[in-house]
Amino acid sequence: DVKVTQSSRYLVKRTGEKVFLECVQDMDHENMFWYRQDPGLGLRLIYFSYDVKMKEKGDIPEGYSVSREKKERFSLILESASTNQTSMYLCASSFVRGGRATDTQYFGPGTRLTVL
Amino acid sequence: KNQVEQSPQSLIILEGKNCTLQCNYTVSPFSNLRWYKQDTGRGPVSLTIMTFSENTKSNGRYTATLDADTKQSSLHITASQLSDSASYICVVSAYAGKSTFGDGTTLTVKP
Repeated sequence: DVKVTQSSRYLVKRTGEKVFLECVQDMDHENMFWYRQDPGLGLRLIYFSYDVKMKEKGDIPEGYSVSREKKERFSLILESASTNQTSMYLCASSFVRGGRATDTQYFGPGTRLTVL
Repeated sequence: KNQVEQSPQSLIILEGKNCTLQCNYTVSPFSNLRWYKQDTGRGPVSLTIMTFSENTKSNGRYTATLDADTKQSSLHITASQLSDSASYICVVSAYAGKSTFGDGTTLTVKP
């Protein structure tokens, strides 16, 4: 079974703090994704990575950065957390088949981040 | 602009009953359509994936249909159980492009 793990289920931080969210997958997937999920807005893509040290902005990258130093690990960084970044953060990974980066994504359990 | 619209937004049914959730999309060029189930406080889990040439796919009591001409998909749940209470998300992907997520339908199954 594919396993995607996230470092924390719940996290509480203060405004201005630097926040690291870690995601690890064990299936040698090329692609990894970070989403945030808010009521009424669905899942929105923050960043994705299709290879080690490669990254691309998603739909809402502002206020976030990412790091992928190893294939199995994808980190989301909030340089200076703000209250509007309170949300559920979901990490996902997927294969690349025949060059199509649209295969089924496997999601982690999510991290519910609260910024006070 | 690629869009995925799901209906209804929420649904309440009695245990044992059937229900159908709808997904309309405008994603082009179409690659595949996936249905995910997301339990409260958990990450989404894939139920089905369909490509252009497939018009039905089953996974236990879940059956997804796809009409690529009208750009519509449905997820039919048979003999619902309390554990089916969750949010169901439709995701449509374009070739070599990003996935577009619907806002989901929240299903509540009551005893």
